Amino acid sequence: QKEVEQNSGPLSVPEGAIASLNCTYSDRVSQSFFWYRQYSGKSPELIMSIYSNGDKEDGRFTAQLNKASQYVSLLIRDSQPSDSATYLCAVIARGTDKLIFGTGTRLQVFP
Amino acid sequence: KAGVTQTPRYLIKTRGQQVTLSCSPISGHRSVSWYQQTPGQGLQFLFEYFSETQRNKGNFPGRFSGRQFSNSRSEMNVSTLELGDSALYLCASSGLADYEQYFGPGTRLTVT
Repeated sequence: QKEVEQNSGPLSVPEGAIASLNCTYSDRVSQSFFWYRQYSGKSPELIMSIYSNGDKEDGRFTAQLNKASQYVSLLIRDSQPSDSATYLCAVIARGTDKLIFGTGTRLQVFP
Repeated sequence: KAGVTQTPRYLIKTRGQQVTLSCSPISGHRSVSWYQQTPGQGLQFLFEYFSETQRNKGNFPGRFSGRQFSNSRSEMNVSTLELGDSALYLCASSGLADYEQYFGPGTRLTVT
C-alpha cells in the first residue's frame, strides 16, 4: 500500500462548481498535511496546510482532515478554469521532516 | 522576500557524466529538501539538509549526494548519470516554525 494515495483523475467540473479532491494516507502517526497545486511545466505551489481535525478555510479553498479515517480532502468552491492543474497531497510523519507526496489528481475546470 | 532559486534551470548531459545542481533557500530558512519528479514515479524525496547536516534520506542510490553550506545554500550531485536520471529536480526550503515547504522552479535534467 502506498503511503499517500490519490485518484489520478482527471476530475472534470464545470466553472462555478465545487471541486472535491481526496487523499488517504497510511501512517497513523502523521501530523502534518499539505495541499500543493502544480501547473503543467511548473513547480508545486503550497496552497493549504492543516494540522488538526476539522476544516480549515482560506478563500475559495477548504481543507478537511479526519485523522480517525486517515483522509484529507480539498474543496475548491466556485471553480475557475485557472484552477485547472494537478493537486498534490503531501504528508509528513511525526518525527521526520520527510514530505511524502501522492501522485496527484488532475483537475480540469471547463467553461 | 525572494523565493527559492535553483540553477541551472535546464541541463543536458551524457550518460556517465556527473552533474551538480544548486539551490538557494528563502532567506532565513535553514532546511533544504531535494525531490525528483518524473512522470512515472511522481515526486520522490531525495534528502533533506538542516544546518549543514543531512537529516533525512530517501531511497536513492549512492550516486545521488548533496551538501549544505553555512549560508544554507545546498547543492545536489549525481554521478555516473543514467538515462533514468532524466527528471525535474526540485528543491524546497522550510523555516523552523512549521513543516511548510516552498519549492523552487526546478532544474530540468535530460540525460542522453
